[in-house]
Amino acid sequence: GEDVEQSLFLSVREGDSSVINCTYTDSSSTYLYWYKQEPGAGLQLLTYIFSNMDMKQDQRLTVLLNKKDKHLSLRIADTQTGDSAIYFCAEARVYGNNRLAFGKGNQVVVIP
Amino acid sequence: KAGVTQTPRYLIKTRGQQVTLSCSPISGHRSVSWYQQTPGQGLQFLFEYFSETQRNKGNFPGRFSGRQFSNSRSEMNVSTLELGDSALYLCASSLAKGYTTEAFFGQGTRLTVV
Repeated sequence: GEDVEQSLFLSVREGDSSVINCTYTDSSSTYLYWYKQEPGAGLQLLTYIFSNMDMKQDQRLTVLLNKKDKHLSLRIADTQTGDSAIYFCAEARVYGNNRLAFGKGNQVVVIP
Repeated sequence: KAGVTQTPRYLIKTRGQQVTLSCSPISGHRSVSWYQQTPGQGLQFLFEYFSETQRNKGNFPGRFSGRQFSNSRSEMNVSTLELGDSALYLCASSLAKGYTTEAFFGQGTRLTVV
């Protein structure tokens, strides 16, 4: 199936780290992505990881991939109020290069 | 470098009407994908066009169709609108080289069917 699961809501204090989790179902997924959506806006690509990697760090963002458990996480260090948004994980399947399957999203609220 | 442009941003239509949405991809990008976003179903893939051909299709009824022009601009059309078609329609463009799907999204078109 196309189920990508995410938890729904996370509240975090400014300056703390946030961790958002995602599980996916298709072990043949090639790339896994994290997108950010602010109110009234489209999706902003934050980062992505190839399925043969375990970890990727990009400034304040760290992506961890556990392929055995089909678990993906995004850690945001030193969370800022501008990080308040909905975060989506997505997977690209082998059979469809440009067909992304998205999770339901995780709303992150940063408390000043 | 200009981003992905979708027009119009907002649209209100009546049940039974049809609607056409437009998407201009990033210059040089040849793939355009369309997604529907609703509170209940989340983000769902509609279809993807590459070099004027539909390459992938999601599980939507035939009322949803699209096309791509030689300049890579794409349009999607929804005929015989239903209330349930109210959604944010997002398009994404990508270079579509190999398996990399670094897709960049537009701001979306918010369609309301009344």
